[in-house]
Amino acid sequence: DIVLTQSPALAVSLGQRATISCRASQSVSISRYNLMHWYQQKPGQQPKLLIYRASNLASGIPARFSGSGSGTDFTLTINPVQADDIATYYCQQSRESPDTFGAGTKLELK
Amino acid sequence: QVQLKESGPGLVQPSQTLSLTCTVSGLSLTSNSVSWIRQPPGKGLEWMGVIWSNGGTDYNSAIKSRLSISRDTSKSQVFLKMNSLQTEDTAMYFCARRGAPFDYWGQGVMVTVSS
Repeated sequence: DIVLTQSPALAVSLGQRATISCRASQSVSISRYNLMHWYQQKPGQQPKLLIYRASNLASGIPARFSGSGSGTDFTLTINPVQADDIATYYCQQSRESPDTFGAGTKLELK
Repeated sequence: QVQLKESGPGLVQPSQTLSLTCTVSGLSLTSNSVSWIRQPPGKGLEWMGVIWSNGGTDYNSAIKSRLSISRDTSKSQVFLKMNSLQTEDTAMYFCARRGAPFDYWGQGVMVTVSS
């Protein structure tokens, strides 16, 4: 199985940039497709898709969210961070079955 | 619009079988795949399995021997059955459309395994 590694937590100030990383144990890219996706989850809610295929903004997601990366290293950036962005963020790969998730990065206020 | 809704018992006794239903609307199960994903309290997301649009299934190898996913396309329902439940199976259980990514999710159903 492909293992996705995320830092457990990140402390950030409102209005600043937050950079959340995800490293895969093997490449999750096929030709030009980077099969890494990002989700936001708030307590008591289901996960919400933010970014698909590494850099594509999901419908209705604000432009302050962006994604980048290829191969094994991927990044979710939030700039600027707003109070509503305090949540846990998960990466997920669909390159190879089984689909796997990272353990999540909890975004906290500094 | 696309909606998924999980239903099932909130409490299951140890060693018993869990049965959950995911009712979908706004999409056809014959052209869409649906996964089950669970989340123990305070922990991360675990993919459990998928029923593909062609009716085939794949399961997480860690729970494959206990898990079965099926569907009734006429009722737009996907079913999860997992036997030999233990306290470690206490979790929120979600169904989600597997469009690679998971773009639509249900609200989840909390299942507690306890006597």
